[in-house]
Formats: sequence, C-alpha cells, structure tokens
Amino acid sequence: NAGVMQNPRHLVRRRGQEARLRCSPMKGHSHVYWYRQLPEEGLKFMVYLQKENIIDESGMPKERFSAEFPKEGPSILRIQQVVRGDSAAYFCASSPRAGGHEAFFGQGTRLTVV
Amino acid sequence: SQQGEEDPQALSIQEGENATMNCSYKTSINNLQWYRQNSGRGLVHLILIRSNEREKHSGRLRVTLDTSKKSSSLLITASRAADTASYFCATDAGKNTGNQFYFGTGTSLTVIP
Repeated sequence: NAGVMQNPRHLVRRRGQEARLRCSPMKGHSHVYWYRQLPEEGLKFMVYLQKENIIDESGMPKERFSAEFPKEGPSILRIQQVVRGDSAAYFCASSPRAGGHEAFFGQGTRLTVV
Repeated sequence: SQQGEEDPQALSIQEGENATMNCSYKTSINNLQWYRQNSGRGLVHLILIRSNEREKHSGRLRVTLDTSKKSSSLLITASRAADTASYFCATDAGKNTGNQFYFGTGTSLTVIP
C-alpha cells in the first residue's frame, strides 16, 4: 500500500504564474487535508476535502487559492498568480475516516516563487 | 489562533539521555497527536492521545495530557542520534468534522552521538 503521494516534489514558478500541486491519498482514504509550512514554522491547516466536497476551507486564503478532490484522480491545490510569499512547503495528508484518527502525510511539494 | 506552542524551541542532548518536550494549546480538544519531521521531509505520526486519557506509551515514547492545564508532554527515553528531528504537537481544536489539525511551531531536537 503506497503512502500519500505528492507531486511534484519541487516546483519553481515565476511571479504571476499558476502552481498546481497534486496529492494522491493512500488507498482507501477518502479524506484529504492540505497544509502549508513556511520556513522554520509549524504546519498551518488550509483545507479539508472529501470526495467531490470541500468540508472545511477555513485556513485557505480567499483569493488565488482553490482546492478540489474529484471523484476520480488526485486532489489538486491550485494557486493562481503566485507571489513570493506563496513560497513554502505544501503538505497533503489523508485519513480513512473523519475525526479522531491519525493522518498520513506525504513528503510535500516545495514551491519556490522567483 | 488555535495553534499549540511547543517548549523548548530547541533542545540538544547527548545520546542515551532523555528528552522532554512540552506543548500547550488554547482550545478544548478531542485528541492531541505528536508528529516527527526530519529535515525537509514529511511528517511521521508518533502517538495519539484522547482527551479522556492521561498517559500513553509507545516504545521509547511516553506522552502525557493534562486537559485542565491544556498541556501535553512528550518524553523520549534513551535517545539515539536517529531521533534528531523536529517534533510537533497537533490538536483537533475540538472539531468533530474531520482530522483538521492545528500544529505548534515545533521543538527541534538534536541528539549528539
């Protein structure tokens, strides 16, 4: 059973471009979470999705950021018109059920905006 | 902010010694978890303790939880160089809808061989 797979591992974008980060949860997991980690800081919750539904997006910036988890395929975190402040590591986690369970994390995508 | 805070921010010990890290949080919780992160890598789950539990063990790890003080501690006994990593506590902030976690800023542990 492969773990949570994120790609790409590293992504470089120029200011104003779009960044698309992909996350394939563990097999059998229908709950996906995205987190952002700035250098030397802890992870900050962004968004929680189940298949085809956004459950909680309270941590996601209202503009330029969006997330989806379609019925088929990976979850996508999309950042439009990236700025330097978007440079961070973005982690995806998945769990088999809601509430009270550990989440399994991917290795992250390191986004650098130049 | 619902984030926890770990203390100390950094800890350096000799191999074989015990390492203790503390975490304080702000809101009521259903459970608290500890994760480990090696430099530049993803997080690895260490242990989950529920709000009705006071202590939990897993191998060389011992976690305590004091909900009245909104604090938790992680003890690593007989540390090894391979334990060098950052350690984060994460709470669910009382949410029942999922596993959204709120992380502290972490304790950076260095174990000197």
